[in-house]
Amino acid sequence: EVQLVESGGALVQPGGSLRLSCAASGFTFSSYWMTWVRQAPGKGLEWVANTTPNGGGKHYVDSVKGRFTISRDNTNNSVYLQINSLRAEDTAVYYCGRELRVSGSLNDGIDFWGQGTMVTVSS
Amino acid sequence: DVQMTQSPSTLSASVGDRVTITCRASQSISSWLAWYQQKPGKAPTLLIYQASTLDSGVTSRFSGSGSGTEFTLTINSLQPDDFATYYCQHQGTFGQGTKVEI
Repeated sequence: EVQLVESGGALVQPGGSLRLSCAASGFTFSSYWMTWVRQAPGKGLEWVANTTPNGGGKHYVDSVKGRFTISRDNTNNSVYLQINSLRAEDTAVYYCGRELRVSGSLNDGIDFWGQGTMVTVSS
Repeated sequence: DVQMTQSPSTLSASVGDRVTITCRASQSISSWLAWYQQKPGKAPTLLIYQASTLDSGVTSRFSGSGSGTEFTLTINSLQPDDFATYYCQHQGTFGQGTKVEI
């Protein structure tokens, strides 16, 4: 059974930092692109970042470039999101997900999601 | 960047209805479109990918169609469990969501 379990969310002051973790199990982690998606309270979904199976390729939404860093540890089947210089607008539930790439090229969607971890930025 | 626009934002329906949600892309995206269902307090679940392929275990009451710039998600014989918010997605862009309510 595929499982993704996020952790690391917290209440943080503006300008602070956090490291979110996502522990994966039930599949060959090193074969999949992994992604982070966030959802502000009462709002829609926003894709944040993803990484290639070997971690060598990383992509970000423009609004987080330079502040967020995605990384992965294929030995420990985990993906991480380092969040720096936190702003109020970063307040959201952060989900990690496994990307579905049927044809191997473009992202066909996110076929498994974690339960999410809440990040609140407030003084 | 490709923009994804869903309509309507909210849809009122009854059990047994057939409902259709539309997602429009700002430029052609071929069939690279996914649909998700999200219930309050829960993570989204993948319903359809490549515009019309049902993900494993998804009921056939859901169907997707379209290509290029216009896509639809259809739910046949709406059930109580289907009242939720639905999102389309192309690569790194989600639509704004459609809430299906009673």
